[in-house]
Amino acid sequence: AQKVTQAQTEISVVEKEDVTLDCVYETRDTTYYLFWYKQPPSGELVFLIRRNSFDEQNEISGRYSWNFQKSTSSFNFTITASQVVDSAVYFCALSERFGNEKLTFGTGTRLTIIP
Amino acid sequence: NAGVTQTPKFRVLKTGQSMTLLCAQDMNHEYMYWYRQDPGMGLRLIHYSVGEGTTAKGEVPDGYNVSRLKKQNFLLGLESAAPSQTSVYFCASRRSTSYEQYFGPGTRLTVT
Repeated sequence: AQKVTQAQTEISVVEKEDVTLDCVYETRDTTYYLFWYKQPPSGELVFLIRRNSFDEQNEISGRYSWNFQKSTSSFNFTITASQVVDSAVYFCALSERFGNEKLTFGTGTRLTIIP
Repeated sequence: NAGVTQTPKFRVLKTGQSMTLLCAQDMNHEYMYWYRQDPGMGLRLIHYSVGEGTTAKGEVPDGYNVSRLKKQNFLLGLESAAPSQTSVYFCASRRSTSYEQYFGPGTRLTVT
């Protein structure tokens, strides 16, 4: 069975600080996909990134970066120079390739950026 | 291009009443999903569909039914609402060739 753990329930940082959101996953499949979604206070879910299990390269998009490490089953998300607009709940999710169509979500990390 | 839309945005039901939530997508996606979001539990899959005319159960299907008569629409029904079904409901869709799902804005349902 697949499982996603986001151990950090809530994080608060002062604006311009860097912050890392942790995500640890479990799966028996050798091919799988990892995702991060952002849920701002308005409530919608915004897709941020997808990572394939066979591609361990880290990715950077502006102030956002993702560190995927198969050896530790982790897919961590770092925001550099945080801004108030980054305040949201962030979800990590996992999808296996075969036999399971669903996204399994972690319980989310509520990030608050203090101005 | 509206993406994924959900109707209604808010609804209050009394225990035992029925209702249908409508999800529509204009991206020609094959797969569609219904999730519920409860505090501290993330999102959990209720039902999903891999194509027109097909549906399947997810993680928490009890008390819900679904139908996918048209490719662009996915309906979620509650036949006899219970307070335990108070939640925020999200619809999502994706292409069969891609794994990221795109979500609607959500429906906040309260059952009293």
